Amino acid sequence: NAGVTQTPKFQVLKTGQSMTLQCAQDMNHNSMYWYRQDPGMGLRLIYYSASEGTTDKGEVPNGYNVSRLNKREFSLRLESAAPSQTSVYFCASSRDTEAFFGQGTRLTVV
Amino acid sequence: AQSVTQLDSHVSVSEGTPVLLRCNYSSSYSPSLFWYVQHPNKGLQLLLKYTSAATLVKGINGFEAEFKKSETSFHLTKPSAHMSDAAEYFCVVSDLTSGTYKYIFGTGTRLKVLA
Repeated sequence: NAGVTQTPKFQVLKTGQSMTLQCAQDMNHNSMYWYRQDPGMGLRLIYYSASEGTTDKGEVPNGYNVSRLNKREFSLRLESAAPSQTSVYFCASSRDTEAFFGQGTRLTVV
Repeated sequence: AQSVTQLDSHVSVSEGTPVLLRCNYSSSYSPSLFWYVQHPNKGLQLLLKYTSAATLVKGINGFEAEFKKSETSFHLTKPSAHMSDAAEYFCVVSDLTSGTYKYIFGTGTRLKVLA
């Protein structure tokens, strides 16, 4: 069972570069999420998608865009990366009240 | 809005002694609450969840948590710590907004287990 799959696992970007983090789930869940994890701050919600074709801002959306390509896939795009976006990014999907998380993407912006 | 507060950022215990990780929540309705564990450089694993059934919830690896509405608490316990329990633990509350669940994380408690 793949569950929630994120790519890439690691990435180093230069300031100003762009990139897209990919996420796919095979559990037929309607809701998907992007979080970032920073030391001492837990996980903070960037964007979420309640269903295919809908997206909403979370707690820390600035500097990010998302696309819910279909029911399976939810991507996160950094248009112009900044050092403040150095973090570990987690994608999740949920059914009812339980969320399932990917293994994370460790992003460093230099 | 829902929120959770993890009262300790770091907890150290000796192997074989009890573990207590504290979590208080704020919710305008009966919440769903979770504990997740994250081992170093790993993803998040669900330990247990409370969804308005039994107030004492048993999870994996010998962990359990008790939902206490009067104290707005959901503390995580284990009778006897093992070295493999060393990890970061997150208390999470679900927030139902416009028909969609969002998951609000506490800031985490890092558990250290001493030999």
